[in-house]
Amino acid sequence: DADVTQTPRNRITKTGKRIMLECSQTKGHDRMYWYRQDPGLGLQLIYYSFDVKDINKGEISDGYSVSRQAQAKFSLSLESAIPNQTALYFCATSDRKSAGELFFGEGSRLTVL
Amino acid sequence: GIQVEQSPPDLILQEGANSTLRCNFSDSVNNLQWFHQNPWGQLINLFYIPSGTKQNGRLSATTVATERYSLLYISSSQTTDSGVYFCAADQTGANNLFFGTGTRLTVIP
Repeated sequence: DADVTQTPRNRITKTGKRIMLECSQTKGHDRMYWYRQDPGLGLQLIYYSFDVKDINKGEISDGYSVSRQAQAKFSLSLESAIPNQTALYFCATSDRKSAGELFFGEGSRLTVL
Repeated sequence: GIQVEQSPPDLILQEGANSTLRCNFSDSVNNLQWFHQNPWGQLINLFYIPSGTKQNGRLSATTVATERYSLLYISSSQTTDSGVYFCAADQTGANNLFFGTGTRLTVIP
Protein backbone atom coordinates (compact mmCIF):
# COMPACT_ATOMS: atom_id res chain seq x y z
CA ASP A 1 0.00 0.00 0.00
CA ALA A 2 1.12 3.52 -0.77
CA ASP A 3 2.40 5.65 2.12
CA VAL A 4 0.54 8.69 0.78
CA THR A 5 -2.91 7.88 -0.60
CA GLN A 6 -5.11 10.22 -2.59
CA THR A 7 -8.78 9.78 -3.42
CA PRO A 8 -10.29 9.96 -5.92
CA ARG A 9 -7.60 9.25 -8.49
CA ASN A 10 -9.73 10.56 -11.32
CA ARG A 11 -12.77 12.80 -11.27
CA ILE A 12 -14.83 14.53 -13.93
CA THR A 13 -17.23 17.21 -12.75
CA LYS A 14 -19.16 20.19 -14.00
CA THR A 15 -18.64 23.90 -13.51
CA GLY A 16 -20.05 25.12 -10.22
CA LYS A 17 -19.91 21.79 -8.39
CA ARG A 18 -18.18 21.36 -5.05
CA ILE A 19 -15.30 18.90 -5.11
CA MET A 20 -13.19 17.44 -2.32
CA LEU A 21 -9.89 15.66 -2.81
CA GLU A 22 -8.65 13.65 0.13
CA CYS A 23 -5.18 12.69 1.22
CA SER A 24 -4.12 10.32 3.96
CA GLN A 25 -0.63 9.21 4.97
CA THR A 26 0.90 6.44 7.02
CA LYS A 27 4.40 7.92 7.16
CA GLY A 28 3.82 9.66 10.48
CA HIS A 29 4.90 12.98 9.02
CA ASP A 30 3.68 16.22 10.54
CA ARG A 31 3.76 18.38 7.41
CA MET A 32 1.36 18.00 4.49
CA TYR A 33 1.02 19.87 1.21
CA TRP A 34 -1.27 20.22 -1.78
CA TYR A 35 0.24 20.96 -5.19
CA ARG A 36 -1.27 21.51 -8.60
CA GLN A 37 0.31 20.54 -11.92
CA ASP A 38 -0.86 21.95 -15.24
CA PRO A 39 0.10 20.18 -18.49
CA GLY A 40 3.71 20.78 -19.46
CA LEU A 41 4.47 22.71 -16.29
CA GLY A 42 6.01 22.12 -12.91
CA LEU A 43 4.07 21.96 -9.67
CA GLN A 44 2.66 24.96 -7.82
CA LEU A 45 1.91 24.99 -4.10
CA ILE A 46 -1.73 25.56 -3.16
CA TYR A 47 -1.74 25.10 0.65
CA TYR A 48 0.48 23.58 3.28
CA SER A 49 0.02 22.54 6.89
CA PHE A 50 2.69 22.05 9.55
CA ASP A 51 0.28 20.49 12.02
CA VAL A 52 -3.45 20.23 12.66
CA LYS A 53 -3.73 23.83 13.81
CA ASP A 54 -1.30 25.39 11.37
CA ILE A 55 -2.50 25.94 7.78
CA ASN A 56 -0.90 28.31 5.32
CA LYS A 57 -1.60 29.58 1.83
CA GLY A 58 0.78 28.78 -0.99
CA GLU A 59 1.33 30.44 -4.36
CA ILE A 60 -2.10 29.75 -5.85
CA SER A 61 -4.65 29.38 -3.02
CA ASP A 62 -7.48 31.42 -4.58
CA GLY A 63 -10.52 29.22 -5.30
CA TYR A 64 -9.34 26.48 -2.92
CA SER A 65 -9.75 25.65 0.75
CA VAL A 66 -8.25 22.92 2.92
CA SER A 67 -8.94 21.05 6.11
CA ARG A 68 -6.46 19.16 8.29
CA GLN A 69 -8.76 16.73 10.04
CA ALA A 70 -5.96 14.83 11.76
CA GLN A 71 -2.21 14.58 11.52
CA ALA A 72 -2.63 11.91 8.86
CA LYS A 73 -5.40 13.54 6.81
CA PHE A 74 -5.41 16.68 4.67
CA SER A 75 -8.24 17.45 2.26
CA LEU A 76 -8.50 20.00 -0.53
CA SER A 77 -11.83 21.52 -1.56
CA LEU A 78 -12.96 23.42 -4.60
CA GLU A 79 -16.12 25.17 -3.45
CA SER A 80 -17.31 26.00 -6.95
CA ALA A 81 -15.19 24.32 -9.60
CA ILE A 82 -14.30 26.15 -12.81
CA PRO A 83 -12.72 24.77 -16.02
CA ASN A 84 -9.29 26.34 -15.43
CA GLN A 85 -9.01 24.24 -12.27
CA THR A 86 -8.67 21.21 -14.52
CA ALA A 87 -5.28 19.82 -13.50
CA LEU A 88 -3.38 17.04 -11.78
CA TYR A 89 -3.37 17.51 -8.00
CA PHE A 90 -0.72 16.08 -5.73
CA CYS A 91 -0.61 15.67 -1.98
CA ALA A 92 2.80 15.50 -0.33
CA THR A 93 4.26 15.01 3.13
CA SER A 94 7.47 15.79 4.91
CA ASP A 95 8.87 15.44 8.39
CA ARG A 96 10.35 18.46 10.13
CA LYS A 97 12.70 16.17 12.02
CA SER A 98 14.27 14.82 8.86
CA ALA A 99 16.27 16.44 6.11
CA GLY A 100 13.22 17.97 4.46
CA GLU A 101 12.53 15.48 1.72
CA LEU A 102 9.10 15.65 0.17
CA PHE A 103 7.10 12.49 -0.57
CA PHE A 104 4.22 12.59 -3.03
CA GLY A 105 0.97 10.71 -3.44
CA GLU A 106 0.02 9.26 -6.82
CA GLY A 107 -2.01 12.26 -7.89
CA SER A 108 -5.67 13.06 -8.51
CA ARG A 109 -6.64 14.01 -12.03
CA LEU A 110 -9.53 16.50 -12.01
CA THR A 111 -11.44 17.57 -15.10
CA VAL A 112 -13.97 20.40 -14.84
CA LEU A 113 -16.34 20.64 -17.79
CA GLY B 1 9.64 33.12 -4.54
CA ILE B 2 12.81 31.60 -5.86
CA GLN B 3 13.13 31.12 -9.64
CA VAL B 4 14.12 27.67 -10.88
CA GLU B 5 15.21 27.11 -14.46
CA GLN B 6 15.94 23.74 -16.02
CA SER B 7 17.74 22.82 -19.20
CA PRO B 8 17.40 21.35 -21.70
CA PRO B 9 13.59 21.29 -21.91
CA ASP B 10 13.65 18.14 -24.03
CA LEU B 11 16.23 15.42 -24.49
CA ILE B 12 16.20 12.31 -26.66
CA LEU B 13 18.79 9.64 -25.99
CA GLN B 14 19.73 6.30 -27.42
CA GLU B 15 19.62 3.55 -24.81
CA GLY B 16 23.01 3.26 -23.13
CA ALA B 17 23.95 6.92 -23.55
CA ASN B 18 24.82 9.29 -20.72
CA SER B 19 23.23 12.66 -20.03
CA THR B 20 23.45 15.70 -17.80
CA LEU B 21 20.46 17.76 -16.75
CA ARG B 22 20.94 21.22 -15.30
CA CYS B 23 19.01 23.26 -12.74
CA ASN B 24 19.77 26.93 -12.04
CA PHE B 25 18.19 28.75 -9.12
CA SER B 26 17.98 32.44 -8.41
CA ASP B 27 18.88 32.61 -4.72
CA SER B 28 20.52 30.66 -1.94
CA VAL B 29 18.61 27.53 -0.97
CA ASN B 30 18.31 25.28 2.05
CA ASN B 31 16.44 22.57 0.19
CA LEU B 32 16.93 21.27 -3.32
CA GLN B 33 15.40 18.08 -4.64
CA TRP B 34 15.29 16.17 -7.90
CA PHE B 35 12.18 14.23 -8.89
CA HIS B 36 11.29 11.89 -11.72
CA GLN B 37 7.75 11.90 -13.04
CA ASN B 38 7.14 8.67 -14.92
CA PRO B 39 4.81 8.40 -17.93
CA TRP B 40 1.96 7.43 -15.58
CA GLY B 41 2.30 10.70 -13.67
CA GLN B 42 3.89 9.37 -10.49
CA LEU B 43 6.46 11.62 -8.83
CA ILE B 44 9.45 9.81 -7.40
CA ASN B 45 11.93 11.50 -5.11
CA LEU B 46 15.43 10.97 -6.54
CA PHE B 47 17.70 13.15 -4.43
CA TYR B 48 17.56 15.59 -1.58
CA ILE B 49 20.71 17.59 -2.29
CA PRO B 50 21.00 21.22 -1.09
CA SER B 51 24.77 20.89 -1.49
CA GLY B 52 27.43 18.34 -2.35
CA THR B 53 27.26 15.15 -4.38
CA LYS B 54 25.19 11.99 -4.03
CA GLN B 55 24.98 8.82 -6.05
CA ASN B 56 22.29 6.20 -6.34
CA GLY B 57 23.05 3.48 -8.87
CA ARG B 58 23.21 4.97 -12.36
CA LEU B 59 22.06 8.36 -11.12
CA SER B 60 24.09 10.97 -9.37
CA ALA B 61 23.57 14.62 -8.51
CA THR B 62 25.77 17.53 -7.62
CA THR B 63 24.73 20.88 -6.21
CA VAL B 64 27.12 23.83 -6.13
CA ALA B 65 25.21 26.08 -3.80
CA THR B 66 27.63 29.01 -4.05
CA GLU B 67 27.12 29.11 -7.83
CA ARG B 68 23.39 28.36 -7.63
CA TYR B 69 23.13 25.31 -9.79
CA SER B 70 22.58 21.59 -9.58
CA LEU B 71 23.30 18.82 -12.05
CA LEU B 72 21.67 15.43 -12.44
CA TYR B 73 23.72 12.78 -14.22
CA ILE B 74 22.16 9.73 -15.80
CA SER B 75 24.57 7.06 -16.97
CA SER B 76 23.87 4.09 -19.24
CA SER B 77 20.32 5.29 -19.80
CA GLN B 78 17.46 2.80 -20.04
CA THR B 79 14.00 3.13 -21.54
CA THR B 80 12.58 3.12 -18.02
CA ASP B 81 14.42 6.41 -17.39
CA SER B 82 11.98 8.15 -19.73
CA GLY B 83 9.73 10.78 -18.21
CA VAL B 84 10.08 14.29 -16.88
CA TYR B 85 12.78 15.27 -14.43
CA PHE B 86 11.99 18.14 -12.09
CA CYS B 87 14.24 20.20 -9.93
CA ALA B 88 12.64 22.01 -6.98
CA ALA B 89 14.14 24.46 -4.52
CA ASP B 90 13.17 26.17 -1.28
CA GLN B 91 14.85 28.98 0.59
CA THR B 92 12.51 29.28 3.57
CA GLY B 93 13.04 26.03 5.40
CA ALA B 94 9.33 25.27 5.18
CA ASN B 95 9.60 22.87 2.24
CA ASN B 96 7.70 25.37 0.10
CA LEU B 97 9.35 23.97 -2.96
CA PHE B 98 9.35 25.98 -6.17
CA PHE B 99 9.53 23.74 -9.20
CA GLY B 100 11.20 24.21 -12.54
CA THR B 101 9.30 23.32 -15.69
CA GLY B 102 11.22 20.08 -16.08
CA THR B 103 13.33 18.24 -18.62
CA ARG B 104 11.42 15.71 -20.69
CA LEU B 105 13.70 12.73 -21.34
CA THR B 106 12.91 10.12 -23.96
CA VAL B 107 15.18 7.08 -24.15
CA ILE B 108 14.80 5.10 -27.33
CA PRO B 109 15.88 1.46 -27.69
